[in-house]
Amino acid sequence: SQQGEEDPQALSIQEGENATMNCSYKTSINNLQWYRQNSGRGLVHLILIRSNEREKHSGRLRVTLDTSKKSSSLLITASRAADTASYFCATPQGAQKLVFGQGTRLTINP
Amino acid sequence: DGGITQSPKYLFRKEGQNVTLSCEQNLNHDAMYWYRQDPGQGLRLIYYSQIVNDFQKGDIAEGYSVSREKKESFPLTVTSAQKNPTAFYLCASRQITGIASYEQYFGPGTRLTVT
Repeated sequence: SQQGEEDPQALSIQEGENATMNCSYKTSINNLQWYRQNSGRGLVHLILIRSNEREKHSGRLRVTLDTSKKSSSLLITASRAADTASYFCATPQGAQKLVFGQGTRLTINP
Repeated sequence: DGGITQSPKYLFRKEGQNVTLSCEQNLNHDAMYWYRQDPGQGLRLIYYSQIVNDFQKGDIAEGYSVSREKKESFPLTVTSAQKNPTAFYLCASRQITGIASYEQYFGPGTRLTVT
């Protein structure tokens, strides 16, 4: 089945640095979403980028989408301890379902 | 966690027992979903429902059952046929009619431990 795969699996950086996570997927999509999951909690939607968009910003988040390479990246600028979480990309499968990647575990060190 | 509640947060059961996980939403969303998450892994779809009294199997439906008798409720039963039921279970919902959205809203999850 179509699936996004995040890279790296884990990332540890110092507070204030930028964090970049990547997602690759297999088939054509009309949108790609990023979610955050704090440890032991549910997922929270961060941002959606449509297939006709190349870049989208939301606060300290910047998402890019390259449909020719079937890849997306999530950049978190000026990271904070509260950004420590797992981040997942999700791509549509049909009209009703989402397929989630394995996630990137981000740790921000004070 | 939006307007979705899951209860209980932690659930312990003996092997061979069926157990039902609750999911309720007050967002008036049409579609509801159940996912399973294993440690360090992504989410896998168990069942989903687009409308009351209708639901479809996801990728890992074996050993699970659901019902959708009310729009706001989508309980999941983990049966004794599920070989490895210990996991974190997440419920989600989405609006698919009217002002539809691709975004899914998640509950806080139920951690099920079967021994």
